[in-house]
Amino acid sequence: AQKVTQAQTEISVVEKEDVTLDCVYETRDTTYYLFWYKQPPSGELVFLIRRNSFDEQNEISGRYSWNFQKSTSSFNFTITASQVVDSAVYFCALSEIGSSGDKLTFGTGTRLAVRP
Amino acid sequence: DTGVSQNPRHKITKRGQNVTFRCDPISEHNRLYWYRQTLGQGPEFLTYFQNEAQLEKSRLLSDRFSAERPKGSFSTLEIQRTEQGDSAMYLCASSLLQGRNTDTQYFGPGTRLTVL
Repeated sequence: AQKVTQAQTEISVVEKEDVTLDCVYETRDTTYYLFWYKQPPSGELVFLIRRNSFDEQNEISGRYSWNFQKSTSSFNFTITASQVVDSAVYFCALSEIGSSGDKLTFGTGTRLAVRP
Repeated sequence: DTGVSQNPRHKITKRGQNVTFRCDPISEHNRLYWYRQTLGQGPEFLTYFQNEAQLEKSRLLSDRFSAERPKGSFSTLEIQRTEQGDSAMYLCASSLLQGRNTDTQYFGPGTRLTVL
C-alpha cells in the first residue's frame, strides 16, 4: 500500500525566511506521480506541481523549488523568501500510475505560518 | 475557463437526515473524484468515475453513501441517515484521461458538512 508522511505538523517562520517542507513516501510501484497542493484558509486545494517518478530533476518556479530524491523516497518543497500570503496548509500526495484511477494518497499536511 | 464547482459550500443538518452534494467538473474532464477531509487530516479517496461509470469505491464509503454521474458531466454524492461522524469537508476533483495518460486532478472548493 502507498503511504505519504509529512512529519512536520506546523512550521512558523518570519517573512523573508526560507522554509523547507518535508515529504517522504512509500510505494511498491516503479511508476508513480508525486504532487504538492496548497490549501489556504478558504479551503480549496490549489495544485502546485506534479512530478513523474522517472524524472528526478529538481524544479524551480519563482520562489518555489522542489527536490526529488528516489534514493531516500523524498520530495521536499522549499519556499525562498517566504511571504505572508504563503501561509496555508501544504499537502504532499502520491498516485500510482494506471492503478485505481490514479487516485491520490495524501499526507497529513504541514501548516505553514509566515509572520510579518 | 471555469474550474470545478461544488454546491452547497456549507451544509448543516441534523443526525438522521439525508443530504446531497453536487459537483460540476471542468468541462471536457472525463474523470471525477470524491474525497473526504476531516479536521487536521489530508483528503481521503472515496470514489471515482470515468465518464458515467463508477469504477472504484473506497471502504470508507459505507452503504449510506451513494454517488452518481448520470450523463458523465456533473456528479452527486448523497449521504443517507447522516451521523455525527460524517461531519467533514467533501472535496470533488476532476481530470482528463487521454489514452493511458492522466492529467492532474483539479479540486473544487469543497462542501463542508456539519451533522448536529
